[in-house]
Amino acid sequence: ETAVFQTPNYHVTQVGNEVSFNCKQTLGHDTMYWYKQDSKKLLKIMFSYNNKQLIVNETVPRRFSPQSSDKAHLNLRIKSVEPEDSAVYLCASSSRDWGAETLYFGSGTRLTVL
Amino acid sequence: QQQVRQSPQSLTVWEGETAILNCSYENSAFDYFPWYQQFPGEGPALLISILSVSDKKEDGRFTIFFNKREKKLSLHIADSQPGDSATYFCAATPYQGGRALIFGTGTTVSVSP
Repeated sequence: ETAVFQTPNYHVTQVGNEVSFNCKQTLGHDTMYWYKQDSKKLLKIMFSYNNKQLIVNETVPRRFSPQSSDKAHLNLRIKSVEPEDSAVYLCASSSRDWGAETLYFGSGTRLTVL
Repeated sequence: QQQVRQSPQSLTVWEGETAILNCSYENSAFDYFPWYQQFPGEGPALLISILSVSDKKEDGRFTIFFNKREKKLSLHIADSQPGDSATYFCAATPYQGGRALIFGTGTTVSVSP
């Protein structure tokens, strides 16, 4: 049962354009993440939001910015895309059972930069 | 610097065989190790997990073996089925402390009928 919804599924754009990806979770979790998955399937954490507060910001370029209106939504904006931004962007929400964190991922947005 | 490493990068087994996926880590503070399964076109999903106080965890055909001294663990998929064809990620984090999961490099498994 899908509980983390991402739109769009695919996006093709040209270098220098601005793009935005949307993510919504219906699980009631307080924490959401954005991950980047490259062509080698490596998963790299980009941002983490806990109840609308940014708590993790790995060394991502400044052209990336997360945007959240409430704890159920976490969008990702890329101000001026570069060819190396081509990847799958995965949104996840997080629950913790004692110390064990479980991530619930959306199906991803595949970005192609021409 | 990759803190969680997996091998092999890809693996092909025949239906009915046991697939063995390896994972190693560097940080002694890691004590919670989930494995995630990802099918093409989907996001990863939690498959099975283990805490470092245990040396084995079973869930149906999936078993994790854990060696704390060597900082190694493995996922065994018994009686592999074509539907098990996916990419498997080992992840690690300290159980307490609220730190984000660190994912390994992944192993892509193909099960041939």
